[in-house]
Amino acid sequence: DAGVTQSPTHLIKTRGQQVTLRCSPKSGHDTVSWYQQALGQGPQFIFQYYEEEERQRGNFPDRFSGHQFPNYSSELNVNALLLGDSALYLCASSLLAVSSYGYTFGSGTRLTVV
Amino acid sequence: AQRVTQPEKLLSVFKGAPVELKCNYSYSGSPELFWYVQYSRQRLQLLLRHISRESIKGFTADLNKGETSFHLKKPFAQEEDSAMYYCALRISLSNFGNEKLTFGTGTRLTIIP
Repeated sequence: DAGVTQSPTHLIKTRGQQVTLRCSPKSGHDTVSWYQQALGQGPQFIFQYYEEEERQRGNFPDRFSGHQFPNYSSELNVNALLLGDSALYLCASSLLAVSSYGYTFGSGTRLTVV
Repeated sequence: AQRVTQPEKLLSVFKGAPVELKCNYSYSGSPELFWYVQYSRQRLQLLLRHISRESIKGFTADLNKGETSFHLKKPFAQEEDSAMYYCALRISLSNFGNEKLTFGTGTRLTIIP
């Protein structure tokens, strides 16, 4: 089992551009969450998807949007990129019924906005 | 609003000495707390969760609701314990995926040989 896979691993974008990050959850998991981790900080919750719907959202602007597909994979989209969006973006998956067992994290996508 | 505080950004401990990584939380509901660990060049992974009351790699953590703490402890540090440790609070608002993890800022633990 490959666990949670994220693509791409690294990305450089110009301010004002748009970016799409992708995540495939661990086999058997049905819930995907996205986190932003700035340098020296803990992961910050962006949003969570279950049954193809956004169920919970953190304190992030509408420039951050997402999608979950029928196969449970997910995308994170960020529009009108700002320099401050530079961070490691983590995807985490879980099985909703037993999510108290903890999440499985991917290795992340390192986004640099210049 | 919920918050997780890890007061130490850096902690150095000699091999064989006891380790304690501090975590305090604020949350008005019933908390579920976790410790996640990130070893060098590896992904974030679950170390332990309070509801299981288990010991993983010699680490234990007890939830103290009176002190709103969930400190991570190990009696004898080993070199392979050097890593970044994050305390996290899980909040679930319903049974329909309406949940999130709130992380602390992390503590980098270095074990001195």
